Amino acid sequence: DAKTTQPPSMDCAEGRAANLPCNHSTISGNEYVYWYRQIHSQGPQYIIHGLKNNETNEMASLIITEDRKSSTLILPHATLRDTAVYYCIVRVTDSWGKLQFGAGTQVVVTP
Amino acid sequence: GAVVSQHPSRVICKSGTSVKIECRSLDFQATTMFWYRQFPKQSLMLMATSNEGSKATYEQGVEKDKFLINHASLTLSTLTVTSAHPEDSSFYICSARGSGRQGATEAFFGQGTRLTVV
Repeated sequence: DAKTTQPPSMDCAEGRAANLPCNHSTISGNEYVYWYRQIHSQGPQYIIHGLKNNETNEMASLIITEDRKSSTLILPHATLRDTAVYYCIVRVTDSWGKLQFGAGTQVVVTP
Repeated sequence: GAVVSQHPSRVICKSGTSVKIECRSLDFQATTMFWYRQFPKQSLMLMATSNEGSKATYEQGVEKDKFLINHASLTLSTLTVTSAHPEDSSFYICSARGSGRQGATEAFFGQGTRLTVV
């Protein structure tokens, strides 16, 4: 399964857009990119996923490069409640939803 | 999104005793559930895959006789930590496979169980 690389931490100002990068240079053609976040002492929360097209939902936007070797999660207007660890995951190739978590990016949103 | 509920959210037990953690899918049927463990300041580590009506599949290094998994119905999986020791103290999280667009699946997570063994 493809591995991902994320910066260990980043700060963001409240109200501004937060752009979270992820590298997945060994991704296979049938692997999806998933983003989850984990607020302290809670279970992970699904944010968004995509294959090759850009995706948007009520929480965030996902921009995947044309070669699919990297992606960016965009939180359009960060709030203090967005402070969390964000995980970029490339889904294993079976279809059961098993996820392998990396270290993620600790995002701190400040007033 | 789909709702997965874990119980209890916190438990303290004495060393040597067993603890059972429940994971329920509240509004969908989950043929497959996953159990993770998370130590402080570390990421989630997959422990096992729980399949309804069959034996669980454990990840390498996870003792199946210590972490008993039962998935007797389409909405309930249980993890029992047997003969718990202080080193088993951790945050245990379950997830269940939901349904997404064709070719993709989403995993929904419970809120986690903080186990402290004293």
